Amino acid sequence: DAGVTQSPTHLIKTRGQQVTLRCSPKSGHDTVSWYQQALGQGPQFIFQYYEEEERQRGNFPDRFSGHQFPNYSSELNVNALLLGDSALYLCASGLQGAYEQYFGPGTRLTVT
Amino acid sequence: AQSVTQPDIHITVSEGASLELRCNYSYGATPYLFWYVQSPGQGLQLLLKYFSGDTLVQGIKGFEAEFKRSQSSFNLRKPSVHWSDAAEYFCAVAPRGVTGGGNKLTFGTGTQLKVEL
Repeated sequence: DAGVTQSPTHLIKTRGQQVTLRCSPKSGHDTVSWYQQALGQGPQFIFQYYEEEERQRGNFPDRFSGHQFPNYSSELNVNALLLGDSALYLCASGLQGAYEQYFGPGTRLTVT
Repeated sequence: AQSVTQPDIHITVSEGASLELRCNYSYGATPYLFWYVQSPGQGLQLLLKYFSGDTLVQGIKGFEAEFKRSQSSFNLRKPSVHWSDAAEYFCAVAPRGVTGGGNKLTFGTGTQLKVEL
């Protein structure tokens, strides 16, 4: 049973560029959440998707957007990258109505 | 606003010694409580959770945590630490009664555990 998978593992982008990160949830899960973890910090909630809609959102600007596909996989898009967007981006999946989340290994984004 | 405080940024213990990692939360009502562990370059693994009932909860890898409502605390403990326990530990909370798969987690800043052989 595959867990949560994310791609790519690492990514280097230049300021002002756009990036897309991908996540496949654990088998049987129907919700996907995204978190940003800056170096030395705890993860910060970006948003959560269920039934292909954004259900909850944290304090992140509109440059951060996402999508959920019919197979429950998800994408995180970040436009106009800033140096401060450099972080580990974590995807977590769960079941609607449940409170446990399972995390993927993350994508390390470096903005230069 | 809800917040989670992990007052110890770094902790060093000897292998075989006992461990306690502190976590305090500030919330309008008792939230759901979690402890996660993160090894270098890895994602987060759920160690244990508290939803209701017995305030002493058992988790994986020999960890346990005790919920104390009067102190708004959820401290993580292990009787005997192994070298492989060296990692970063995060306490997290989620609001009760809000629908949504897994819901929004609010994390503390983490405690880095070093184990001396």
